[in-house]
Amino acid sequence: EPEVTQTPSHQVTQMGQEVILRCVPISNHLYFYWYRQILGQKVEFLVSFYNNEISEKSEIFDDQFSVERPDGSNFTLKIRSTKLEDSAMYFCASTLWEGEVYGYTFGSGTRLTVV
Amino acid sequence: QKEVEQNSGPLSVPEGAIASLNCTYSDRGSQSFFWYRQYSGKSPELIMSIYSNGDKEDGRFTAQLNKASQYVSLLIRDSQPSDSATYLCAVVFRNKLVFGAGTILRVKS
Repeated sequence: EPEVTQTPSHQVTQMGQEVILRCVPISNHLYFYWYRQILGQKVEFLVSFYNNEISEKSEIFDDQFSVERPDGSNFTLKIRSTKLEDSAMYFCASTLWEGEVYGYTFGSGTRLTVV
Repeated sequence: QKEVEQNSGPLSVPEGAIASLNCTYSDRGSQSFFWYRQYSGKSPELIMSIYSNGDKEDGRFTAQLNKASQYVSLLIRDSQPSDSATYLCAVVFRNKLVFGAGTILRVKS
């Protein structure tokens, strides 16, 4: 069964450093998403991406965050200057059409720890 | 802000019993609803989707939807210890999933 692949599985970084989280969505999917889950809290939407541009972003997705699809297969989330409160699990998801019919497939996540 | 509400639990049921999980949502226009299972430290795993009023069954799982009451539920029959997890209700709003906080289910053997 096709998978969404995320790397790395764990990342520890110092406060103020830049991190890039990587995702390979399912190959024929068209819509891509990043979600995050702070320990003990709900899964929160960060950003959606379609046709090589951001289609929607949440209040959390401020100027420190950016997304890119650099080569037609990878989908990356960059945090420019990490803060302690960015520590969370980050999930990438993709869907073929608009999710309503096919559902959203999630990757296994990257656990980001900012120290 | 569109909300999805779930009782956080924990909901404890004995092995073999029926577990009933509930969810309400605020956006009357929502059309697509999902139940995900999440084990601790893992990603959400899709177990059921439902789009029409009524019941939808898949193995031991039954999803129920009542759009007039803005209510979605999940029944798990013959609960097993391996069903112990957090169950996330999710609603599609403007082409993205909005999650509830999840209900912790504990199945006691």
